[in-house]
Amino acid sequence: SQQGEEDPQALSIQEGENATMNCSYKTSINNLQWYRQNSGRGLVHLILIRSNEREKHSGRLRVTLDTSKKSSSLLITASRAADTASYFCATDYSWGKLQFGAGTQVVVTP
Amino acid sequence: NAGVTQTPKFQVLKTGQSMTLQCAQDMNHNSMYWYRQDPGMGLRLIYYSASEGTTDKGEVPNGYNVSRLNKREFSLRLESAAPSQTSVYFCASSPGQGLFPNTGELFFGEGSRLTVL
Repeated sequence: SQQGEEDPQALSIQEGENATMNCSYKTSINNLQWYRQNSGRGLVHLILIRSNEREKHSGRLRVTLDTSKKSSSLLITASRAADTASYFCATDYSWGKLQFGAGTQVVVTP
Repeated sequence: NAGVTQTPKFQVLKTGQSMTLQCAQDMNHNSMYWYRQDPGMGLRLIYYSASEGTTDKGEVPNGYNVSRLNKREFSLRLESAAPSQTSVYFCASSPGQGLFPNTGELFFGEGSRLTVL
């Protein structure tokens, strides 16, 4: 079964709006990572948050981690059309073996 | 700097045929991985290699074999392809190795799209 599960499965917003997606996982983790995948391309790493961190920022991205609830959220502020992609959370639960969720498909319309 | 390169990008096979997916990375990374991606399933780990000369099974290894030819190259072989192996296959690499928790990111190739008829 999947370790990480994203919610919602799909999200449609307009440019300039914020996009929030959530990830829940089942077991203890070393870290949690978020990746982006543009259509037909490979995954690109966005941000990594360690189990002892609660919040992390990178440009327009903000990630939070709540280990007590086994959940994380990714916020993209001031969305752009170029942010249209699928977003995956991945949990590092056992030496370097990342387990990926099914992803959130985000569509940003101009 | 090419990063992670996969070949071929597209392949159509008939049931029972064999083929090898090639992957090479030029970042001097220790660890390499093969994932498959199916609609609604996310990515699932097939095999990984923590360092040159070592390989280990992931979540879905049945029907596949791998070879870590050297530090740069990690190949995935389908000995007798089945329709259930129709998928997009991704190779990835990361700097980490061995017993230390890998806290680094994965670098992915562009994928190999395989169809088994």
